[in-house]
Amino acid sequence: LAKTTQPISMDSYEGQEVNITCSHNNIATNDYITWYQQFPSQGPRFIIQGYKTKVTNEVASLFIPADRKSSTLSLPRVSLSDTAVYYCLVGGKGGGNKLTFGTGTQLKVEL
Amino acid sequence: EPEVTQTPSHQVTQMGQEVILRCVPISNHLYFYWYRQILGQKVEFLVSFYNNEISEKSEIFDDQFSVERPDGSNFTLKIRSTKLEDSAMYFCASSPKGTGGYEQYFGPGTRLTVT
Repeated sequence: LAKTTQPISMDSYEGQEVNITCSHNNIATNDYITWYQQFPSQGPRFIIQGYKTKVTNEVASLFIPADRKSSTLSLPRVSLSDTAVYYCLVGGKGGGNKLTFGTGTQLKVEL
Repeated sequence: EPEVTQTPSHQVTQMGQEVILRCVPISNHLYFYWYRQILGQKVEFLVSFYNNEISEKSEIFDDQFSVERPDGSNFTLKIRSTKLEDSAMYFCASSPKGTGGYEQYFGPGTRLTVT
């Protein structure tokens, strides 16, 4: 299982773009990169998943360089409600995989 | 939008008692999971379930734990004899076939308090 490293915490202000980078130097060829968001006392919520280059959905963008040893979750124009813990996970895309959560990045958005 | 639901939202029980936590996964999903999160700690995998049997379980999931899919909609986690250290948030999750096991949909959780 590829180990991931991400900042423990980040601070931002409303309206700014936030980029959270995750390092995964030992990513395997068939591994995908997935990001989850968790609010206090709630279950993690799937945000985005990608394999290479760029993926965008209505919530975020995920940038993955050619060597795939890192990835960046980009949250455009954050609001107070984006204050949460963000987790980067790396692993195979097959069905039934267990998720191994680290400590994640605590994002705090202020006015 | 379909959601995973869990009941109860909060369960208080005495040490040694049995508890059953209930989950209704998203209807067309085929993989089911239980995770737990002790207050202030990481989310930990307990067990995955597919085709009416356990696919994988963690070291936490010992003989005191069991899972069952008693009908076509419910998925339950039973703890036979609760311990103080079982106090945690328990999250059920499900994922569809084909889109990848890493895209899992979590329920709101059951807060279990063992006294």
